[in-house]
Amino acid sequence: DAGVTQSPTHLIKTRGQQVTLRCSPISGHKSVSWYQQVLGQGPQFIFQYYEKEERGRGNFPDRFSARQFPNYSSELNVNALLLGDSALYLCASSINTGNSGNTIYFGEGSWLTVV
Amino acid sequence: QKEVEQNSGPLSVPEGAIASLNCTYSDRGSQSFFWYRQYSGKSPELIMFIYSNGDKEDGRFTAQLNKASQYVSLLIRDSQPSDSATYLCAVTGGFKTIFGAGTRLFVKA
Repeated sequence: DAGVTQSPTHLIKTRGQQVTLRCSPISGHKSVSWYQQVLGQGPQFIFQYYEKEERGRGNFPDRFSARQFPNYSSELNVNALLLGDSALYLCASSINTGNSGNTIYFGEGSWLTVV
Repeated sequence: QKEVEQNSGPLSVPEGAIASLNCTYSDRGSQSFFWYRQYSGKSPELIMFIYSNGDKEDGRFTAQLNKASQYVSLLIRDSQPSDSATYLCAVTGGFKTIFGAGTRLFVKA
């Protein structure tokens, strides 16, 4: 079975532009989370979606938004890009959000560079 | 206070030794605890999870959890150069999994 798939793998954007990152979870997984990881730090929680509803949001500005589709895939959108948004964006999926089945599995990530 | 704290290292151990990685967390309501390994330029991969107090062993890896002390650890026995990576501690509470900054481990051949 395929793992978590993300696209694109690498992209370069200019300050002020908008970017959309895409994620397909592991088959059977209904929850998708997004994380931002900058060099030398651990992944920082951005969003979690379960059954197409936002269930959690980290400390990120409103420029960051996401959604989950009926097939459980997800998109992360970032508007008005800043240089500081340059990072590895990780998508993770889990079966559900409960105490059992909440183990998250990461995709390979999308490397975003803002110039 | 950070929600999940780890010593950034680097931790350097000789090949064949035991590597001990530690993590503390602040939310007493946390219920699930995870260790991930991340090689440079790659995404994190799950090593182990633990839910209950005590030890859990999987091959060369042992996770230890002490909820009273809000402490999680990972022991790697017979460390190999291929174990050289950053190890991330993660804690789940509610709808989010929070990660520490990671500990860099170097295993010297």
